[in-house]
Amino acid sequence: QSALTQPASVSGSPGQSITISCTGTSSDIGTYNYVSWYQQHPGKAPKLMIYDVTKRPSGVSNRFSGSKSGNTASLTISGLQAEDEADYYCSSYTISSALVFGGGSKVTVL
Amino acid sequence: QLQLQESGPGLVKPSETLSLTCTVSGGSISSSSYYWGWIRQPPGKGLEWIGSIYYSGSTYYNPSLKSRVTISVDTSKNQFSLKLSSVTAADTAVYYCLSSGYSGWFDPWGQGTLVTVSS
Repeated sequence: QSALTQPASVSGSPGQSITISCTGTSSDIGTYNYVSWYQQHPGKAPKLMIYDVTKRPSGVSNRFSGSKSGNTASLTISGLQAEDEADYYCSSYTISSALVFGGGSKVTVL
Repeated sequence: QLQLQESGPGLVKPSETLSLTCTVSGGSISSSSYYWGWIRQPPGKGLEWIGSIYYSGSTYYNPSLKSRVTISVDTSKNQFSLKLSSVTAADTAVYYCLSSGYSGWFDPWGQGTLVTVSS
């Protein structure tokens, strides 16, 4: 299985909205609505931000939202804040009953 | 609130077997609501799913690691374990044990345990 494809970096100014893409294939994102997104600050463990493409766990800000079109999932951060600066990883379930991660995207708040 | 804690050696020699155990508290490992999984992150690199197990014993492995990985569950101790054989320096990573939903989301994340492969 191949890793999902994410941009290496995404940046934006405070208050702006940014979108991180996560491209897979018809063997993973294209078939299942089972995409998750994780946020990881330096030196910290990852945190679940979005699951099942669009669902937010309790306690996650509604500034974070997820979507999917075809083989590509997206994470949008609205009203960008300094605390959102972190690495973000997507993950998807696959037709092989396996899980695959993206390579990660570094979000920089300008 | 589920809590999971990894335990095991922090240093493993090349060609040997890495063994880690995860103890689950705040819930039963026999719950039908969760899968139990292992994820690793090499220093400075991204996340890699190693594999998952259901309380019934059904296992699911990363194809790239499948030949070297065994995940098992001990319901009597509320634990599950990871064994990774024939390790090399490339297996040096922070290893996380986690609970997983049916669709593959992992939550909550602990601090993980760093395993270094070196002679």
